[in-house]
Amino acid sequence: GAVVSQHPSWVICKSGTSVKIECRSLDFQATTMFWYRQFPKQSLMLMATSNEGSKATYEQGVEKDKFLINHASLTLSTLTVTSAHPEDSSFYICSETGRGTDTQYFGPGTRLTVL
Amino acid sequence: AQSVTQLDSHVSVSEGTPVLLRCNYSSSYSPSLFWYVQHPNKGLQLLLKYTSAATLVKGINGFEAEFKKSETSFHLTKPSAHMSDAAEYFCVVSDLSATGGFKTIFGAGTRLFVKA
Repeated sequence: GAVVSQHPSWVICKSGTSVKIECRSLDFQATTMFWYRQFPKQSLMLMATSNEGSKATYEQGVEKDKFLINHASLTLSTLTVTSAHPEDSSFYICSETGRGTDTQYFGPGTRLTVL
Repeated sequence: AQSVTQLDSHVSVSEGTPVLLRCNYSSSYSPSLFWYVQHPNKGLQLLLKYTSAATLVKGINGFEAEFKKSETSFHLTKPSAHMSDAAEYFCVVSDLSATGGFKTIFGAGTRLFVKA
């Protein structure tokens, strides 16, 4: 399957700062990327879907001004958590699919802790 | 409308005994069905995928799943559990959305415990 990397794997930041998480497709042209967050012992919650070169589509209840998503190329998508607060602490996971397929390949996740 | 129900929040088996993780789904069309595994603090790894080619799907690490349309089930099995199988397992259904793309729904997950 496709290989997806995320960076950083974990980050600790102060409340009010912004954090950028990168999701890279290493061997695959990811036409669509997904961003999820996962709370402890829970399933994944889809935050947004982004297609290369287009604006991201956010799920209901997800603040687009707080969670900025950029999908500038077929191999890179970024999620920026702006003005982070402790309640934003979570495990963030990206995934990708190629054109015409619905199989998602997941990154290893980023653990964000906001103090 | 799509939905996925994983019938057990956790399953505990002894090493060397069979594993059964249950999943029921509902879908309006012909869905794709997946099982993913997640080890602690890791991303999700694809175990197997059903796409209507064959009802019995073989995946990695000895896992397999059988698609039963009459029962709307897609249960995951493995003949003999290994300690390394202890993880969280997600059943996922993907179907065409009204906008023409894919809509993916995740089950709540089943935690598999393997006892020595």
